[in-house]
Amino acid sequence: AQSVAQPEDQVNVAEGNPLTVKCTYSVSGNPYLFWYVQYPNRGLQFLLKYITGDNLVKGSYGFEAEFNKSQTSFHLKKPSALVSDSALYFCAVRDVNYGGSQGNLIFGKGTKLSVKP
Amino acid sequence: GAGVSQSPSNKVTEKGKDVELRCDPISGHTALYWYRQSLGQGLEFLIYFQGNSAPDKSGLPSDRFSAERTGGSVSTLTIQRTQQEDSAVYLCASSPLGGGAQYFGPGTRLLVL
Repeated sequence: AQSVAQPEDQVNVAEGNPLTVKCTYSVSGNPYLFWYVQYPNRGLQFLLKYITGDNLVKGSYGFEAEFNKSQTSFHLKKPSALVSDSALYFCAVRDVNYGGSQGNLIFGKGTKLSVKP
Repeated sequence: GAGVSQSPSNKVTEKGKDVELRCDPISGHTALYWYRQSLGQGLEFLIYFQGNSAPDKSGLPSDRFSAERTGGSVSTLTIQRTQQEDSAVYLCASSPLGGGAQYFGPGTRLLVL
């Protein structure tokens, strides 16, 4: 079965400090991995994805994520946090062997990021 | 270009009534998805369309829920005899041929009284 775990309900960071939002996954085949951000009363916005290739993926707003196959992780990172980064972050996975290129995504529960000035 | 749009943005209904939620995907996107976001439940997959057909309906919680897609474009999610536990934000997403990222609409916030 496919699953995604975001072990932290909330992450608190001071502005200017690096941030990490953790994600681990479980799939039977090869994963497609995604990060989305949700601002209050807004829909989900796509940040970045890993399909294949380089393990370090760069996305929108200065975010990046590192795919680690041995640890089945896809942690979201940013070198210097901004107050405006405060939002709800969702990790998602699709098992290529199950859903192909267009199957549904399995989402984590979300992690609330709070960046204080 | 235009993103995914959903209507209505908010819907308040009485228990037992039927509701229809509409999704207009990004033009040219072949795949369309419905998800439900409930407080404390995260994002829950409901149904997925490839063109007008639904290869995966596994997420529909009961037979009160149905969806259709016409012309490979607009989709309607119908909830019959609504219950209070149906209250949630219903999100629609679309993706192009070849897959990759899904692009989400702003959602319809449904409240069943």
